[in-house]
Amino acid sequence: SYVLTQPPSVSVAPGQTARVTCGGINIGRESVHWYQHKPGQAPVLVICDDSDRPSGIPERFSGSNSGNTATLSISRVEAGDEADYYCQVWDSISDQGVFGGGTKLTVL
Amino acid sequence: EVHLLESGGGLVEPGGSLRLSCAGSGFSFSRYALSWVRQAPGKGLEWVSTINDTGGSTYYADSVKGRFTISRDNSKSTLDLQVNSLRAEDTAIYYCARYNGPYTGFDYWGQGTLVTVSS
Repeated sequence: SYVLTQPPSVSVAPGQTARVTCGGINIGRESVHWYQHKPGQAPVLVICDDSDRPSGIPERFSGSNSGNTATLSISRVEAGDEADYYCQVWDSISDQGVFGGGTKLTVL
Repeated sequence: EVHLLESGGGLVEPGGSLRLSCAGSGFSFSRYALSWVRQAPGKGLEWVSTINDTGGSTYYADSVKGRFTISRDNSKSTLDLQVNSLRAEDTAIYYCARYNGPYTGFDYWGQGTLVTVSS
């Protein structure tokens, strides 16, 4: 089945830009979604279809996808952005959902 | 406002069974696919199963195929997951999520219900 690879952790200072990558073979051909997950809370969809922001998600969240890497970018990072972030696609060959392993974003 | 509320979790011995449920409200329940996603302690999110809007098509992760069964009752706006032959590695928080298609993903999630498999 399709494999998505994320770095385990990313650290960034407040006010800077955080970038979380998601690697997969020809992922640029897939529709990639990103979720924010804080402890004890339900996951939240922050980017869908590579770069679309659902209603209520700040403009600081953006996404891109090309080649073998999709990227979630969070500009002007705040302490409240500290969370685990997961990329996700639907593997149409196996008809299964696939999540990346997750990246813990730490705000220094 | 979309709301998903899971129930049915608990402590069960290895080899045992549980039936998880998810009640949906605030949206046209019968128009959307629904899914279960789980998170084991200290691990990441893992997709478990998806059922289409009518209930006519179901999809499962390899790790649960043959042991778990997803179903829905659109007249009651409920989603179920029958989990059988439970193993220690099935211990996780199980989330119900609305699946809004391959170009949107899981757009709403419940708070989850904890399943613990232990003797």
